[in-house]
Amino acid sequence: SQTIHQWPATLVQPVGSPLSLECTVEGTSNPNLYWYRQAAGRGLQLLFYSVGIGQISSEVPQNLSASRPQDRQFILSSKKLLLSDSGFYLCAWSPSGLVTDTQYFGPGTRLTVL
Amino acid sequence: SQQGEEDPQALSIQEGENATMNCSYKTSINNLQWYRQNSGRGLVHLILIRSNEREKHSGRLRVTLDTSKKSSSLLITASRAADTASYFCATDYAGNNRKLIWGLGTSLAVNP
Repeated sequence: SQTIHQWPATLVQPVGSPLSLECTVEGTSNPNLYWYRQAAGRGLQLLFYSVGIGQISSEVPQNLSASRPQDRQFILSSKKLLLSDSGFYLCAWSPSGLVTDTQYFGPGTRLTVL
Repeated sequence: SQQGEEDPQALSIQEGENATMNCSYKTSINNLQWYRQNSGRGLVHLILIRSNEREKHSGRLRVTLDTSKKSSSLLITASRAADTASYFCATDYAGNNRKLIWGLGTSLAVNP
């Protein structure tokens, strides 16, 4: 069976510090991978998605970047965090093919920027 | 905005009652999905219904889709306290397979 891992679960960072959130998927090959942000009481905002190694699509211009160094690894980064980067970050995967098919989510990372 | 919109925003019921949530959207879709999110957790996929389907069931869940009204409903029968969560619909707009469009969710509280 497939599993998706995200870490850390919670993170408190000062403004201006760097960020690295990691997501890995097990039990599948060549998945589509996604990073979402969810503000309190809001829906999901798609940040980045990837259909293969080194292929990153950015949905929202912002202070964040994403990389996919390995088939089942997806990393969300920032060089300098802003207060507005606070939120709940969710990684998800879907089988290769349509990026609009069923998605499977990780447990999320709660990021607080102070 | 092409965002799906759920209503009500919040719903509070007693255990054993049925809960109905609705999702409306604005343009033609390929499919519509419902997800559940427990507080502070990731989302869990519930049901995917395609544009040529009218109804799907999964256990105590029933999803309907009315493409003429551009709306879908999620019915949870005989609700339990464990059904307390936020429920989101996500739509895949026909002709735009780049991403799902997410609603803001319905917060369901099932009281024991």
